[in-house]
Amino acid sequence: AQKITQTQPGMFVQEKEAVTLDCTYDTSDPSYGLFWYKQPSSGEMIFLIYQGSYDQQNATEGRYSLNFQKARKSANLVISASQLGDSAMYFCAMRETSTNAGKSTFGDGTTLTVKP
Amino acid sequence: DGGITQSPKYLFRKEGQNVTLSCEQNLNHDAMYWYRQDPGQGLRLIYYSQIVNDFQKGDIAEGYSVSREKKESFPLTVTSAQKNPTAFYLCASNPPGGYGYTFGSGTRLTVV
Repeated sequence: AQKITQTQPGMFVQEKEAVTLDCTYDTSDPSYGLFWYKQPSSGEMIFLIYQGSYDQQNATEGRYSLNFQKARKSANLVISASQLGDSAMYFCAMRETSTNAGKSTFGDGTTLTVKP
Repeated sequence: DGGITQSPKYLFRKEGQNVTLSCEQNLNHDAMYWYRQDPGQGLRLIYYSQIVNDFQKGDIAEGYSVSREKKESFPLTVTSAQKNPTAFYLCASNPPGGYGYTFGSGTRLTVV
C-alpha cells in the first residue's frame, strides 16, 4: 500500500528566504507520480508541481522546485524567495500510475507561516 | 473559464438525514473524485469515477453514495449511515494522462 509521510506539522520562514518542506513516500510500484498542493485558508486545493518516477531531472515551476531523491524515497518541496501569500497548508501526494485509476494518496500536510 | 463548481459552500445536516453535495465540471474531464478532509489532516478518498455510469469505492466509502449519469456531474450523498459526517468535502477532476488534480472550492458539512 502506498503511504505519504510529512513529518513537519508546522514551519516558519522569514519573508524572502527559502524553505524546504519534507515528504517521504512508500510504494512498491515502479511507476508513480509525486505532487504538491497548496491549501490556503479559503480551503481550495491548488496544484503546484509534479514529478514522475522516471523523470531524470527535478521538476521546477517558478519559485517551486521538487527535490526528488528516488533512492531515499523523498520528494521535498523547495519554495524560494518566500512571500506572505505563501502562508498556507501544503500537501504532498502520490499516484501509482500502473493502476491507471488516477487515485492519489495524500500526506497530513505542513502548515507554512511566512513572517514579515 | 473552465473549472469545478461545488455547492453549497456550507451545509448543515440533522441527525438521520441524507444530504447531497453537488459537483459540476466544465473541463471535459472523464475522471472525477470525492475526498474528505478532517481538521488538521490530509485528504481521504471516498469514491471515484473514471467514466460515465461507472464508479468505484475509495478508502472510506461506507455511509456515502454517488452517481455519474453525466460527464459533467458527480454528486455525493452523505447518508444517515455515515455516523461522523462533519468534515470538509472536496471534489476533483483529472484529465487523461494529466498531472495534478483540479479541485472545487469545497463544501463544509456540519451535523447539528
